[in-house]
Amino acid sequence: EAGVTQFPSHSVIEKGQTVTLRCDPISGHDNLYWYRRVMGKEIKFLLHFVKESKQDESGMPNNRFLAERTGGTYSTLKVQPAELEDSGVYFCASSSAWTVGEKLFFGSGTQLSVL
Amino acid sequence: AQSVTQPDIHITVSEGASLELRCNYSYGATPYLFWYVQSPGQGLQLLLKYFSGDTLVQGIKGFEAEFKRSQSSFNLRKPSVHWSDAAEYFCAVGGMEYGNKLVFGAGTILRVKS
Repeated sequence: EAGVTQFPSHSVIEKGQTVTLRCDPISGHDNLYWYRRVMGKEIKFLLHFVKESKQDESGMPNNRFLAERTGGTYSTLKVQPAELEDSGVYFCASSSAWTVGEKLFFGSGTQLSVL
Repeated sequence: AQSVTQPDIHITVSEGASLELRCNYSYGATPYLFWYVQSPGQGLQLLLKYFSGDTLVQGIKGFEAEFKRSQSSFNLRKPSVHWSDAAEYFCAVGGMEYGNKLVFGAGTILRVKS
C-alpha cells in the first residue's frame, strides 16, 4: 500500500513568488491534514479536510495560504506571495477516520525555503 | 490551551545504553498522548499512544512510555538503544474535542554513538 506522498520534497523560491505543494493521501482516506514546522520549532496544525470540505482551517496563518482538495483526493497548498517567514517543512497526513488516535499517516514533508 | 514541552533539544547516548526522552504537557482535560519518530528523509511514524488505562504503554521498536498525571509527563524510554534509533522524536497531545488535530512539541534529536 502506498503511503502519503508529498512533492516536491524541496522547493527554493524567492520572496514574492508563488509555490504550490501537493499531497497525495493514502487511497480511501477521507481525512487529510496539513501541518507545518518552522525553524526547527513545533510542528503546528494548519488545516483539516474531510473529503473535499475544510473541516478546520484555524491554523492557517493568513490569506496568503490557500488549500484545496479536489474531489476529495489529492490536496494542494498554495502560498502566494511567499514571505521569508513561510520557510519551513510542510507535512501532510491522512487518516481513515476523524477520531483522536485514529492512526495518522504522515508524508515525508516538503522543505520550503523562501529567499 | 494545549501545549507540549520537550526540554531536551539534543540527546546523545551510547549504543546499548538506556534512553529517556522527556515530555511535559499542558491540557485541561484527559489528554491523549503520542510519541512520533522521524528518521531522515522519512515521514513521522507513530511509536505509541496513550488514551486511558494502564499508564505504561508499549510501542513499536522496543519503546515504552509512562503517563504520570501528577507530573503532567509522558516520557519515552528504551532500555537499550540501537544505532538505528538515531532520529528526531516528537511528543504530541490531543483530545476528543479536537479530532485528530494534534499539538506537538519541538522535538528531541537523538544521536547514538558507537
